Amino acid sequence: DAGITQSPRHKVTETGTPVTLRCHQTENHRYMYWYRQDPGHGLRLIHYSYGVKDTDKGEVSDGYSVSRSKTEDFLLTLESATSSQTSVYFCAISQGNEQFFGPGTRLTVL
Amino acid sequence: GESVGLHLPTLSVQEGDNSIINCAYSNSASDYFIWYKQESGKGPQFIIDIRSNMDKRQGQRVTVLLNKTVKHLSLQIAATQPGDSAVYFCAVPHYTGNQFYFGTGTSLTVIP
Repeated sequence: DAGITQSPRHKVTETGTPVTLRCHQTENHRYMYWYRQDPGHGLRLIHYSYGVKDTDKGEVSDGYSVSRSKTEDFLLTLESATSSQTSVYFCAISQGNEQFFGPGTRLTVL
Repeated sequence: GESVGLHLPTLSVQEGDNSIINCAYSNSASDYFIWYKQESGKGPQFIIDIRSNMDKRQGQRVTVLLNKTVKHLSLQIAATQPGDSAVYFCAVPHYTGNQFYFGTGTSLTVIP
């Protein structure tokens, strides 16, 4: 599993509240990614990081921000959650040409 | 940008039969392709990959075929087992190598 954990694994929140999801890796990988997975869309990239404090936007970055202050942690923040952000969120790392995924966080915004 | 799509959203097969899952991609310059398996409630897991200089690659009970002429790849699972029930999707790297495009997935159900 490439030593990837995500927290929380499940969260229910209300529209307008801030939410932060955490991805933690133990193997010092440089690249980390946040995806969301929705029916009919597959995995879509939100943001990715290529080093401490180095991040870039993905395909669906609106409404999300990220931070990476340490190699092992990559945080995804929804500043003001909306119902359209109800989804399953996956963190991933790159190792060579492969991506390894965490177990996912199921977020429900009511 | 790249687009990646699978041909069938669902597939049901009898246990012991072979399964074929298809994927199409749009960028003829893509040189690397990956198949993932995602079981219910879990993150995707790497199954097998293939480079564009190959037409076929075999793993344990899985074979990936690449047809660059029509920009199509397929995943074949031999002697499908109940444990193969999952969503399968292909992925193609962005030209920078730092991102991937994922297909929407085919949900495979194995009937005992």
